Amino acid sequence: EDQVTQSPEALRLQEGESSSLNCSYTVSGLRGLFWYRQDPGKGPEFLFTLYSAGEEKEKERLKATLTKKESFLHITAPKPEDSATYLCAVRLTQGGSEKLVFGKGTKLTVNP
Amino acid sequence: DTEVTQTPKHLVMGMTNKKSLKCEQHMGHRAMYWYKQKAKKPPELMFVYSYEKLSINESVPSRFSPECPNSSLLNLHLHALQPEDSALYLCASSQGTGRYEQYFGPGTRLTVT
Repeated sequence: EDQVTQSPEALRLQEGESSSLNCSYTVSGLRGLFWYRQDPGKGPEFLFTLYSAGEEKEKERLKATLTKKESFLHITAPKPEDSATYLCAVRLTQGGSEKLVFGKGTKLTVNP
Repeated sequence: DTEVTQTPKHLVMGMTNKKSLKCEQHMGHRAMYWYKQKAKKPPELMFVYSYEKLSINESVPSRFSPECPNSSLLNLHLHALQPEDSALYLCASSQGTGRYEQYFGPGTRLTVT
């Protein structure tokens, strides 16, 4: 069965303390891996799309990478405003249409 | 502009009420989605519309009835809901159902009493 697993469930960092979030997946034929950021009570905000192993994308303090089995979201010198839940999702094909399946997310807290 | 709007922001309804959620996008996207998100859980797909036609229904109970009147609008009609249906309902859109990212609206917080 296709599955998306994120770790850790929660991560607490000090401001400036770099770290990485992990998203591992077991899908047959990856058709895209997505990272989203979600603040409490709000809709997910699109961050990155990755399609092939070795691909990397960057945005401000965030960098997403992809291997054949997992993706990492690296956060460099985080600030308190980076506190949010980070969701990973993979695109699957079903009945001729494609859908996203989300992991449970990593809740990141950055303390000043 | 990657804005998806949803109304209302909050909705409280009784189990015998009929209400509707509305979603709108003006990005020219041809795929629209409804997700349900319970507290501390990831979004779960409910319905997918592609070119105004329903393409995926994730075995959602019939008390949820989606409608896509045109390519910019998506409605979710609610009837005879249960308290366990209380959740954040998210709408999303994308250029198509292929290799395109989905953009989410802010959601409607639904409470069923």
